[in-house]
Amino acid sequence: DAKTTQPNSMESNEEEPVHLPCNHSTISGTDYIHWYRQLPSQGPEYVIHGLTSNVNNRMASLAIAEDRKSSTLILHRATLRDAAVYYCILSNSGYALNFGKGTSLLVTP
Amino acid sequence: DGGITQSPKYLFRKEGQNVTLSCEQNLNHDAMYWYRQDPGQGLRLIYYSQIVNDFQKGDIAEGYSVSREKKESFPLTVTSAQKNPTAFYLCASSTGTLARSYEQYFGPGTRLTVT
Repeated sequence: DAKTTQPNSMESNEEEPVHLPCNHSTISGTDYIHWYRQLPSQGPEYVIHGLTSNVNNRMASLAIAEDRKSSTLILHRATLRDAAVYYCILSNSGYALNFGKGTSLLVTP
Repeated sequence: DGGITQSPKYLFRKEGQNVTLSCEQNLNHDAMYWYRQDPGQGLRLIYYSQIVNDFQKGDIAEGYSVSREKKESFPLTVTSAQKNPTAFYLCASSTGTLARSYEQYFGPGTRLTVT
């Protein structure tokens, strides 16, 4: 699977939108883009995934660049409970997800 | 409520002892996975199973063993051969076996400390 690059950490104010970037310049045409998040001392939680088109669900939105070399996870209104490590993962033919170090999001009141 | 349970939440063992971590799911999922997480790091795959009585090694299988005798259960044994067993262990399951298509559901994890 292709590699992703994310910032180590980001900070946001509560009730503000948050844009978490992910670069994946070597993405292949059949790689899906997944986002998971992990709250402290808990198992990861699925957030959203997509292939080419932007995706929305109750938790977040996923904006995928036209060339698919980058994507952005958008939390529309950050809350304190959104403080977590966010993982951007590419997946193609494998059976398991390749979690990197992710982005640690700090949300301040 | 459907989900994945892992027990115990915290586990302490002496060096040289084998220890088995429990993972049970009632989601009727075919695929199950074991990951290991070290402090400040991402998750690394230990073993996965696509179907009962079948499992494959992941990236760091040395020193670990698994069984899949029932669809809902996928226990992991950390053997004395595992050189650095202290870690956070996470079990997951999914409906299908292609990671790109299926959401993985994770349990709450077991924190193992070996001294």
